[in-house]
Amino acid sequence: GAVVSQHPSRVICKSGTSVKIECRSLDFQATTMFWYRQFPKQSLMLMATSNEGSKATYEQGVEKDKFLINHASLTLSTLTVTSAHPEDSSFYICSAREAEDRGSHQYFGPGTRLTVT
Amino acid sequence: AQSVTQLGSHVSVSEGALVLLRCNYSSSVPPYLFWYVQYPNQGLQLLLKYTSAATLVKGINGFEAEFKKSETSFHLTKPSAHMSDAAEYFCAVGGGNKLTFGTGTQLKVEL
Repeated sequence: GAVVSQHPSRVICKSGTSVKIECRSLDFQATTMFWYRQFPKQSLMLMATSNEGSKATYEQGVEKDKFLINHASLTLSTLTVTSAHPEDSSFYICSAREAEDRGSHQYFGPGTRLTVT
Repeated sequence: AQSVTQLGSHVSVSEGALVLLRCNYSSSVPPYLFWYVQYPNQGLQLLLKYTSAATLVKGINGFEAEFKKSETSFHLTKPSAHMSDAAEYFCAVGGGNKLTFGTGTQLKVEL
């Protein structure tokens, strides 16, 4: 089956620094990738939709200058949390959709736990 | 617009008992419906999906769900719970480019 990886799985950073999270589709091409954030014991909230070669589409209330998304290839998307603050601490999950999938199914990565101190 | 309602944020069953996790959806177009499972500190794993074929969908690990249009429901069931089924379960509705998730149901399996 299709596999999506994320790196790192866990990161701790100091307030004010930037953190980059990578999302890769390992055995398929993903024209569309998605970034979610999940707070403890809550559901996934879509942050942005990333299409290869174009600008990401951000959900309402998500600061695009703070959460920079790059989707430079069909197998890699990155999320950079700029000037991180403790309130950015969360579980970030990416997902990817196969190019020809018509069932809107997304393959999810294992998530990245970000802790900002 | 699409939405998902999962009734019961916590469900507890005995090992060997029936598992029933409820999901109701709202969608202005014929929906794609999904159930995902999430173990602690992990991403989501697809259990099953409905994409307008058979209304009774069988998934992995013995789970199945039935699409009932008249009730706008897509409840998840498993005849006999196992300890390894303890996890968070999310129902989602898909349309176009996005998935909309329910708030999740934490399943606890007791001896």
